[in-house]
Amino acid sequence: DTGVSQDPRHKITKRGQNVTFRCDPISEHNRLYWYRQTLGQGPEFLTYFQNEAQLEKSRLLSDRFSAERPKGSFSTLEIQRTEQGDSAMYLCASSFQDRYVHGYTFGSGTRLTVV
Amino acid sequence: KQEVTQIPAALSVPEGENLVLNCSFTDSAIYNLQWFRQDPGKGLTSLLLIQSSQREQTSGRLNASLDKSSGRSTLYIAASQPGDSATYLCAVDSGTYKYIFGTGTRLKVLA
Repeated sequence: DTGVSQDPRHKITKRGQNVTFRCDPISEHNRLYWYRQTLGQGPEFLTYFQNEAQLEKSRLLSDRFSAERPKGSFSTLEIQRTEQGDSAMYLCASSFQDRYVHGYTFGSGTRLTVV
Repeated sequence: KQEVTQIPAALSVPEGENLVLNCSFTDSAIYNLQWFRQDPGKGLTSLLLIQSSQREQTSGRLNASLDKSSGRSTLYIAASQPGDSATYLCAVDSGTYKYIFGTGTRLKVLA
């Protein structure tokens, strides 16, 4: 297992277009998290899954955002009708249910630029 | 509501110096605390994880300490190298399965 994989690494899109990002977690991890990081800030929590169930969504996640994790494996994050304010790094992380020992493992992120 | 602060925001040191990065948090009831490194435009690399029952963790030239009662953690980097230049982020898990991050310390080690 090579860790948490995210695709694409970079995405440039025009305002109003829809984009979808993919995250493949570490296979043994049953929890998956999405975070967003804007320039000069720390990552902020967006949502998390335990297996295929989405258990919490931040208020940062507007109606234009949707995340799925079918079959409890990979996850997708879709942004509809993108706005310039959506430009950020989108980070995915995964963990065991008991994260006490190992904490989180993050992927390399997807950098979104909305022009 | 948990808040995490990192001081200083930026630091520039000559190669070979020992340095300390600070992280403070407002709610001492934490589950664990994790230090990450982030290179420009890249994802987060885990450096050290300190469980709530631990006082410190060490990995190579890095040592992280945790004082829950005072709401503080420090990351000590010994004999700094230019390759250590990066942003260092502190993240606190308060048992709600989501991390609260500080805004990071941008470190530059000059050759």
